[in-house]
Amino acid sequence: DQQVKQNSPSLSVQEGRISILNCDYTNSMFDYFLWYKKYPAEGPTFLISISSIKDKNEDGRFTVFLNKSAKHLSLHIVPSQPGDSAVYFCAAMNNAGNMLTFGGGTRLMVKP
Amino acid sequence: GAVVSQHPSRVICKSGTSVKIECRSLDFQATTMFWYRQFPKQSLMLMATSNEGSKATYEQGVEKDKFLINHASLTLSTLTVTSAHPEDSSFYICSARTYSNQPQHFGDGTRLSIL
Repeated sequence: DQQVKQNSPSLSVQEGRISILNCDYTNSMFDYFLWYKKYPAEGPTFLISISSIKDKNEDGRFTVFLNKSAKHLSLHIVPSQPGDSAVYFCAAMNNAGNMLTFGGGTRLMVKP
Repeated sequence: GAVVSQHPSRVICKSGTSVKIECRSLDFQATTMFWYRQFPKQSLMLMATSNEGSKATYEQGVEKDKFLINHASLTLSTLTVTSAHPEDSSFYICSARTYSNQPQHFGDGTRLSIL
């Protein structure tokens, strides 16, 4: 039973345009959400997070939106750059803060 | 930013060998460290959680006698794959954090190949 799902395994975007990566979750106990970026043969790198008390968090080109009622979050990257090409994982944490549950990842390809 | 170092990055060894992987937090004290395993084209799967100075908590289906975890200090955790077999071949990644609700910071992973 996948509690965190990323339904798009891949996404291709033109440089300069917006990339939107989506993530859905089922566990209502999750209250903290994170996005990680991963290059091949490297560990995930933390990008941005959002607490369930917020619906938006912005950091430079990266914005995460959270819709609690829909149990949905998304990561917006604008403008997209070729260096953004990587696999992006969303992850969720419960209020005990003991466990991080990952989605399956979305491979983003930004074309020059 | 927070740095987590994982060593070695790649190991190739014969079946029956025990392999130790180290995970170090370089610029912060990690009260909790995590060990994940990633199969090809799949997400990270949590294997165990370790708190400094106490026994690790293993996820269901993970053999604690097979995957020995030691978290002896606030900056070091080790994972030892005992008597490794080909089915143990995988990508193992550690992460560390200071307190709960803080992001986990990941090492670069260890590619383990058992012949």
